[in-house]
Amino acid sequence: AQSVTQLGSHVSVSEGALVLLRCNYSSSVPPYLFWYVQYPNQGLQLLLKYTTGATLVKGINGFEAEFKKSETSFHLTKPSAHMSDAAEYFCAVSDGAGGTSYGKLTFGQGTILTVHP
Amino acid sequence: EAGVTQSPTHLIKTRGQQATLRCSPISGHTSVYWYQQALGLGLQFLLWYDEGEERNRGNFPPRFSGRQFPNYSSELNVNALELEDSALYLCASSFLASGGIPTDTQYFGPGTRLTVL
Repeated sequence: AQSVTQLGSHVSVSEGALVLLRCNYSSSVPPYLFWYVQYPNQGLQLLLKYTTGATLVKGINGFEAEFKKSETSFHLTKPSAHMSDAAEYFCAVSDGAGGTSYGKLTFGQGTILTVHP
Repeated sequence: EAGVTQSPTHLIKTRGQQATLRCSPISGHTSVYWYQQALGLGLQFLLWYDEGEERNRGNFPPRFSGRQFPNYSSELNVNALELEDSALYLCASSFLASGGIPTDTQYFGPGTRLTVL
């Protein structure tokens, strides 16, 4: 069974500081990994994804994440936080090709990012 | 290109009633997914439909059901509403690659907020 753990339900940073949101996963097959962002009273917006190939993936709004198989991690980073980055962030995993849990994204519990001026 | 749309935005029902939520996928997408985002429970996978068929189901009771229409839009029906069904219900869509394997990305709509009184 798949699972996702996001370390830290709340992260607070100053504007201009590094953003680091942690995500660890477990999966019985090579995973597909995603980060989504949710602004208040809105749906989920895809930030970035890892399927195969290059392990460092770049997404929208200056975010990037690195897939580390040995550490089963997919941490999200951004070099310099903006006030507009304040939102809730979700890490998710799904089976890659050949997996049996078709069509199912398993989400972490979410991390609320607060950005202070 | 229009994104995933959901209606209504808000829905208020009383315990024991039935609720019907609707979703229109992105043009060209054949798969529709439903997720429940309840306070304190996070994002939980409900159902996956593709080409009119239910392909996968999460750990929810049978009173949660749905269907997919020939135009790929979908309905989620919740019968015998309980107070704990109050949540944001998110719909997502994707298209299937050849061989029936889900492609890697699900695109989400803005959600329907269901309140059960």
